[in-house]
Amino acid sequence: DTGVSQDPRHKITKRGQNVTFRCDPISEHNRLYWYRQTLGQGPEFLTYFQNEAQLEKSRLLSDRFSAERPKGSFSTLEIQRTEQGDSAMYLCASSLGLIGTSGNNEQFFGPGTRLTVL
Amino acid sequence: DAKTTQPNSMESNEEEPVHLPCNHSTISGTDYIHWYRQLPSQGPEYVIHGLTSNVNNRMASLAIAEDRKSSTLILHRATLRDAAVYYCILRDLIKAAGNKLTFGGGTRVLVKP
Repeated sequence: DTGVSQDPRHKITKRGQNVTFRCDPISEHNRLYWYRQTLGQGPEFLTYFQNEAQLEKSRLLSDRFSAERPKGSFSTLEIQRTEQGDSAMYLCASSLGLIGTSGNNEQFFGPGTRLTVL
Repeated sequence: DAKTTQPNSMESNEEEPVHLPCNHSTISGTDYIHWYRQLPSQGPEYVIHGLTSNVNNRMASLAIAEDRKSSTLILHRATLRDAAVYYCILRDLIKAAGNKLTFGGGTRVLVKP
């Protein structure tokens, strides 16, 4: 399967613990996005990479959240000192975009990581 | 950012067409109209997009009003697999903000056998 993959698919943690999620995009895609989705709502943008550069961060991304894409391939999203309000589905997407344009590049989404903070 | 307004839910019978409206009265000249859908327990998937002219692909058709303040996604023959939440999204072609997708609440489509 050459789609976007995310690991783990489910994560249950206790409040205050740190968690890390991984996203493997489609191999030739230079853009990678993280979104968060709570029950009954549409996904909300968190952050976006073009290759290894993090170009935009939402104000939803508090200082407890950090995302990396060290070699422009896979990405990790870490949440430190988790809170119950962090419980959500974390979605990763990738796309192929030309540098310097927003374009209409279709975003391909992974299946998501469902986080439950107890 | 220009916003979109969609009905919360719609019902359809299997094998019948479904017309999903979207209002975007504050659309700018450089906004493309995109549709994504999210099947149960899956990430969203792209359906179709357009700027001014009507568009067709294997999944659906997109009808765009002449003043571009509204659009309609048309599923020609709904199947049970089309039951999903459908999101109408505006993406600015020029601005860097167009890189991200801004989802609203979407329309939940129920297809009855």
